[in-house]
Amino acid sequence: DAGITQSPRHKVTETGTPVTLRCHQTENHRYMYWYRQDPGHGLRLIHYSYGVKDTDKGEVSDGYSVSRSKTEDFLLTLESATSSQTSVYFCAIRGLMEEKLFFGSGTQLSVL
Amino acid sequence: AQSVAQPEDQVNVAEGNPLTVKCTYSVSGNPYLFWYVQYPNRGLQFLLKYITGDNLVKGSYGFEAEFNKSQTSFHLKKPSALVSDSALYFCAVRDMGDNYGQNFVFGPGTRLSVLP
Repeated sequence: DAGITQSPRHKVTETGTPVTLRCHQTENHRYMYWYRQDPGHGLRLIHYSYGVKDTDKGEVSDGYSVSRSKTEDFLLTLESATSSQTSVYFCAIRGLMEEKLFFGSGTQLSVL
Repeated sequence: AQSVAQPEDQVNVAEGNPLTVKCTYSVSGNPYLFWYVQYPNRGLQFLLKYITGDNLVKGSYGFEAEFNKSQTSFHLKKPSALVSDSALYFCAVRDMGDNYGQNFVFGPGTRLSVLP
């Protein structure tokens, strides 16, 4: 999957607990994205980054925060997980001159 | 705001027959259009894109798509379906007139089943 590693691959947590998902790339690509995938909704953008320490909100950013302290890592944090955040989370990357996204294998998150 | 519609949740086709997966879009500026495929428990994989030029674009695994500006459509096609084409297909648009084109908007997906 194009030098993208998401961790963990699966996580079960309880409502109200903080959760951090990690996306690590070895491609040195500038842009990184977090999407969530839910049946009937396709993929919806949570946050994206256009450089180190440069991030912006997507369509469904409420309840999520991100950080990018170095090019290769993009962290997604759920400050206080809710059941509505049960989903499959995908990280994607894109190079400066690239038109397309490359996706990681996803993280299945269950909030009980 | 941009949006993508895939009017069919499910498409069934017999192996060897032609297949079409439909996509329509709405953007404020010039669209960059994409098709991605997702196999079970995997991330999305790029199939093809339309940026400019010829309205018929060819991509991976024998797939092609036709851009129709007047109908704001970008339907995915393949002349002869294979059982291995069975997967979830997503149409996506990147609106170059919105937020420096950073937002890739995806449709809800269409599940393609190719029957032997």
